[in-house]
Amino acid sequence: GQQVMQIPQYQHVQEGEDFTTYCNSSTTLSNIQWYKQRPGGHPVFLIQLVKSGEVKKQKRLTFQFGEAKKNSSLHITATQTTDVGTYFCAGRKNDMRFGAGTRLTVKP
Amino acid sequence: DADVTQTPRNRITKTGKRIMLECSQTKGHDRMYWYRQDPGLGLRLIYYSFDVKDINKGEISDGYSVSRQAQAKFSLSLESAIPNQTALYFCATSDFTDTQYFGPGTRLTVL
Repeated sequence: GQQVMQIPQYQHVQEGEDFTTYCNSSTTLSNIQWYKQRPGGHPVFLIQLVKSGEVKKQKRLTFQFGEAKKNSSLHITATQTTDVGTYFCAGRKNDMRFGAGTRLTVKP
Repeated sequence: DADVTQTPRNRITKTGKRIMLECSQTKGHDRMYWYRQDPGLGLRLIYYSFDVKDINKGEISDGYSVSRQAQAKFSLSLESAIPNQTALYFCATSDFTDTQYFGPGTRLTVL
């Protein structure tokens, strides 16, 4: 069945360092979304990618969708303490499947 | 998101009890979803509904049932709760863009 794998599970960085989380699907996706969940909060939508090879940027965040539409990545440049939280990818094939998330902690 | 509300926010119950979690939304979306979140497993889809007459099973529907009472209301029931249903439950809505808008969550503990 459809599976979405996300790595790493945890990432601890020094403030100012870069951060990347990767998402891989066992099947070709129609779209992929990224969400951020702050500690104690609920997931909040960041972005959706639809096209093969698509790259989108939001300030220090860069999102990519692979050419085969089976993988995606989120890269944060020069992390800040406000970036702390868990980042989830969610891929849609027949229904929406979330990755397990990458929990980011940032040391000031 | 204040447009999606869930009640109760916290619930402790005993094995075998029937539990209902409720979700209401004022976003006017047709699509509603129930997810559970467990540490290390992310969010898993339990049930979803694309309109009042439409109910679909998700990845982990066993042991759960749902009711879509109106466009704005979608409830999740555990007919006979068991300890491995202890989790954080999220309701979400979406429009045709597929963006999920989550409620604040319900923390359920089954003893």
